[in-house]
Amino acid sequence: GAGVSQSPSNKVTEKGKDVELRCDPISGHTALYWYRQSLGQGLEFLIYFQGNSAPDKSGLPSDRFSAERTGGSVSTLTIQRTQQEDSAVYLCASSPPANTGELFFGEGSRLTVL
Amino acid sequence: ILNVEQSPQSLHVQEGDSTNFTCSFPSSNFYALHWYRWETAKSPEALFVMTLNGDEKKKGRISATLNTKEGYSYLYIKGSQPEDSATYLCAFPPGGNKLVFGAGTILRVKS
Repeated sequence: GAGVSQSPSNKVTEKGKDVELRCDPISGHTALYWYRQSLGQGLEFLIYFQGNSAPDKSGLPSDRFSAERTGGSVSTLTIQRTQQEDSAVYLCASSPPANTGELFFGEGSRLTVL
Repeated sequence: ILNVEQSPQSLHVQEGDSTNFTCSFPSSNFYALHWYRWETAKSPEALFVMTLNGDEKKKGRISATLNTKEGYSYLYIKGSQPEDSATYLCAFPPGGNKLVFGAGTILRVKS
């Protein structure tokens, strides 16, 4: 597709369950980011992948959160043993090499933990 | 973590009004300043990426200025329209890679 694709668009889960969120970036984009927006908060950085370099995981809020990027393309964000405070919109963005740094965002995955 | 601050938090204006918001950021080790617009149920989209002190950028009725020495940027909307209603985010890349976002300014334009 032409843009960043995320799935699912909406996910409702019970506290304690694991969830996986998927991001398919724009073809050719080497950088991939995960952000989240909790209710009433700004966009919070989670993790950043750039090419084959080790990812910058400095924004992951706890060890229940992990992400991988397979083959330099699709990324999966996994949240284990979900808690109510994990409820948020999870946004993925990608950017091409050697550009202005502009991010191209997906429409997000809205996670609700009951 | 270097903070990006935006004001006001929210703004309600009438159609046709002109308005402006502020983004302040650390002035040391400047790389770039980004503005994004995030409409409800859509993905955030880039408005401007500004890199030079004194930069002024314009897209239709929206323009932005940048002062890297004092660490602020203004976003202006001339003749606001209901379709301008959105959250306006600014972002700054400390270290030059990942963007740190402000909390945003929510704009509502009443017709």
